[in-house]
Amino acid sequence: GAVVSQHPSWVICKSGTSVKIECRSLDFQATTMFWYRQFPKQSLMLMATSNEGSKATYEQGVEKDKFLINHASLTLSTLTVTSAHPEDSSFYICSARADRENQPQHFGDGTRLSIL
Amino acid sequence: GQNIDQPTEMTATEGAIVQINCTYQTSGFNGLFWYQQHAGEAPTFLSYNVLDGLEEKGRFSSFLSRSKGYSYLLLKELQMKDSASYLCAVLDSNYQLIWGAGTKLIIKP
Repeated sequence: GAVVSQHPSWVICKSGTSVKIECRSLDFQATTMFWYRQFPKQSLMLMATSNEGSKATYEQGVEKDKFLINHASLTLSTLTVTSAHPEDSSFYICSARADRENQPQHFGDGTRLSIL
Repeated sequence: GQNIDQPTEMTATEGAIVQINCTYQTSGFNGLFWYQQHAGEAPTFLSYNVLDGLEEKGRFSSFLSRSKGYSYLLLKELQMKDSASYLCAVLDSNYQLIWGAGTKLIIKP
């Protein structure tokens, strides 16, 4: 149980393109979903927390207009990287958590984004 | 501030036992998680401790002492596939998950 699917797993695109990443909880309802980015050999960095039906809460330093998050249902959250530039190239990982706050976060497989 | 400390890197031998320590100082405590992350992959959940003591799950065990702000992950009968980073994370009083930087475990034959 507790499977999270993230799509696509790998994206290469030109600078200026917008990229949408989907995160789905397949066998449980995810009240809360999280978006992280991770640079090589560095720790996970939380970008934002989203609750179904409400606006995402962004961490300090993360641009809301750059990284658009939508959590429209209990099983789907999307992250759109708008007008992506090479410095946005990173490993983006989503996680999902069921309704109790002490439940573990279950991670998708991640999306490797490369902007040329 | 909130702080989680774990060693940056450890090396162990196939078949042996290794203990990865984690100490934390957080505003409140609602549990501690251990995750495994292989290079280039997303983390996978290993264990959750909220009460003091040892939780055993196959070859992996996790221990917690809340009074000492201390946890460890014990891996027995090490296999080459256990080479990965091990992340310690604490839920604070606001149920925010505070992540450690991870311990890279290298297993040698």
